[in-house]
Amino acid sequence: DAGVIQSPRHEVTEMGQEVTLRCKPISGHDYLFWYRQTMMRGLELLIYFNNNVPIDDSGMPEDRFSAKMPNASFSTLKIQPSEPRDSAVYFCASRAYYNEQFFGPGTRLTVL
Amino acid sequence: RKEVEQDPGPFNVPEGATVAFNCTYSNSASQSFFWYRQDCRKEPKLLMSVYSSGNEDGRFTAQLNRASQYISLLIRDSKLSDSATYLCVVTEGDKIIFGKGTRLHILP
Repeated sequence: DAGVIQSPRHEVTEMGQEVTLRCKPISGHDYLFWYRQTMMRGLELLIYFNNNVPIDDSGMPEDRFSAKMPNASFSTLKIQPSEPRDSAVYFCASRAYYNEQFFGPGTRLTVL
Repeated sequence: RKEVEQDPGPFNVPEGATVAFNCTYSNSASQSFFWYRQDCRKEPKLLMSVYSSGNEDGRFTAQLNRASQYISLLIRDSKLSDSATYLCVVTEGDKIIFGKGTRLHILP
């Protein structure tokens, strides 16, 4: 298995632009998580899905952030409009029920 | 009180020394416990699970004290390759909560 796949690996954009991050979970995993990591705040859970259904989005910072999971093999995290304070590494992770969680390599986002 | 608390470090330790990390969690109903390792500019990866009876994997020993809501990780005979950030992880139902991590630098 290729593991969790994220794209792009790096994204540099200007303030106000829309940013879309993509994730392909490991096949057969029924949970998908989106995290954001910064030096100041550590690893923060933004939202997670179970069987493609959003379960808890209480970590989503504000309305500028949205996430979707249209099918079991694909999820997106969208930021619109982006702001400099959104600069961080965004990780996607997946797991089967009560098993080890596997992370993707992350997307390093810089908003200028 | 934060859900999962760790000493941020950094811990600067000479090669060959023993290192101990501690972690406390706030929810007594937490169910599962793990240590993850994160190398610089990489994703976190599972190091080991933590059980009430304690468990050992080579140079690594993990302990859980449910009464005190405390988790520990001990690294014996530390190697240069052990330099990384160590994240304490606690689960509450479906939710997985990460500590901010403790940075470890092993010095030659």
